[in-house]
Amino acid sequence: DTGVSQNPRHKITKRGQNVTFRCDPISEHNRLYWYRQTLGQGPEFLTYFQNEAQLEKSRLLSDRFSAERPKGSFSTLEIQRTEQGDSAMYLCASSEGRDTFTDTQYFGPGTRLTVL
Amino acid sequence: AQTVTQSQPEMSVQEAETVTLSCTYDTSESNYYLFWYKQPPSRQMILVIRQEAYKQQNATENRFSVNFQKAAKSFSLKISDSQLGDTAMYFCTGNQFYFGTGTSLTVIP
Repeated sequence: DTGVSQNPRHKITKRGQNVTFRCDPISEHNRLYWYRQTLGQGPEFLTYFQNEAQLEKSRLLSDRFSAERPKGSFSTLEIQRTEQGDSAMYLCASSEGRDTFTDTQYFGPGTRLTVL
Repeated sequence: AQTVTQSQPEMSVQEAETVTLSCTYDTSESNYYLFWYKQPPSRQMILVIRQEAYKQQNATENRFSVNFQKAAKSFSLKISDSQLGDTAMYFCTGNQFYFGTGTSLTVIP
C-alpha cells in the first residue's frame, strides 16, 4: 500500500493556460474525492467518484473544471483557462467506498497550483 | 446537508499539557460519523479519530479523545500529554464533504 499519490506536486502556470492534475488512489479504493484548499482554510469539496461514476459536484466546480476517472482507477482534474483565483492546493483523497458518511478518507500530498 | 464550525482559529499548548479543540456541527442526518483530521505543516492530512453518532461512549485513540455531546451538537477533541509532533492544523468534519475552517495548534517546548 503506497498511499494516495498526486502529480505534479507543484505547478506554475500563466493565466489562461490549461492544467491537468493526476491522482492515483489506494488500490481497491472505490471512492475518490477532489478538494481545493487555500492557505489557512479547510478543504473545499469539489467532486467525488464512485468507481468511474462522478456522483456529486460542488457549485465550486465551474465549467472550466472537469474531472474524470476512467476505468475507476486514477483520476484527472483539468482546469481550463486558469485564473489567478485558481491558485490553491488541490487535494485528492480515496476511501474504500462502503459509505460516504463512515468511510475514512486517505489524502494525498496535494498539488500546489500557482497561476501567474 | 451538514455544516461544521470551528471557532478557535489558533491555539497553543505547552508540551506535556492537555488542550481541547472545539467543533460544533449541524446535520439533518439521523446516523452519521464525526471525524477529526490532522494536517501537519507541509504534510498530508491524516485521520486522528472518529466517533459514531449512535454510540454514547466517547472515542479514544491513545492520547486523543473526543467529547461528543449529541444534543448540543458538539464534538471536541482533547489531546493529552501534548507532543511537538502534534503541531498541525486540525479539521473536524461530519459527512466528510464539508470541513471546518480548522484550528492551528502549536505545541510549545
